[in-house]
Amino acid sequence: EPEVTQTPSHQVTQMGQEVILRCVPISNHLYFYWYRQILGQKVEFLVSFYNNEISEKSEIFDDQFSVERPDGSNFTLKIRSTKLEDSAMYFCASSGTGLGNSPLHFGNGTRLTVT
Amino acid sequence: QKEVEQDPGPLSVPEGAIVSLNCTYSNSAFQYFMWYRQYSRKGPELLMYTYSSGNKEDGRFTAQVDKSSKYISLFIRDSQPSDSATYLCAMNKAAGNKLTFGGGTRVLVKP
Repeated sequence: EPEVTQTPSHQVTQMGQEVILRCVPISNHLYFYWYRQILGQKVEFLVSFYNNEISEKSEIFDDQFSVERPDGSNFTLKIRSTKLEDSAMYFCASSGTGLGNSPLHFGNGTRLTVT
Repeated sequence: QKEVEQDPGPLSVPEGAIVSLNCTYSNSAFQYFMWYRQYSRKGPELLMYTYSSGNKEDGRFTAQVDKSSKYISLFIRDSQPSDSATYLCAMNKAAGNKLTFGGGTRVLVKP
């Protein structure tokens, strides 16, 4: 069964550094998402991406965050200058046609630790 | 009032029992409802996906949606120790829209 893959599984970075989290969504999907989960808290929406542009973003997704689909298969989340509070699990997800029968499928996440 | 509410548990049941999980929501604009299973340090794994009120069955899993009461349920029959996980409800207003998650219910199935 096709799946969403994310790399790396764990990233440790120092405060103020830039990080790029990578995702390969399911190949025929059209919608791409990033969510995050701080330890012990709810899964929170960050951003959705469709047709090469952001379709929706949350208040969390400020100017420090950006997303890109650099080629036909990858989808990346960049955090420009990491803060301690950015430490969380970051999940990439994708969904299909957007016509109704399109539940989100998630990857196994990247655990980001900011020290 | 939170948009989506879910009892955090933990819910402990003996192997073979029926597990009953539920979520309530406040926004009547939600149209699509999902249940995910999440093991520790892993991503949410889709279990059930439903649209509109009614029941949907898939193997040992049954999902119910009651839009008039803004209440959704997931039942797991013949529960196994491998079903021990956190179960997340999630919903959105339209396909392609962001998901709003409940906080998850931790389930422990004891052998």
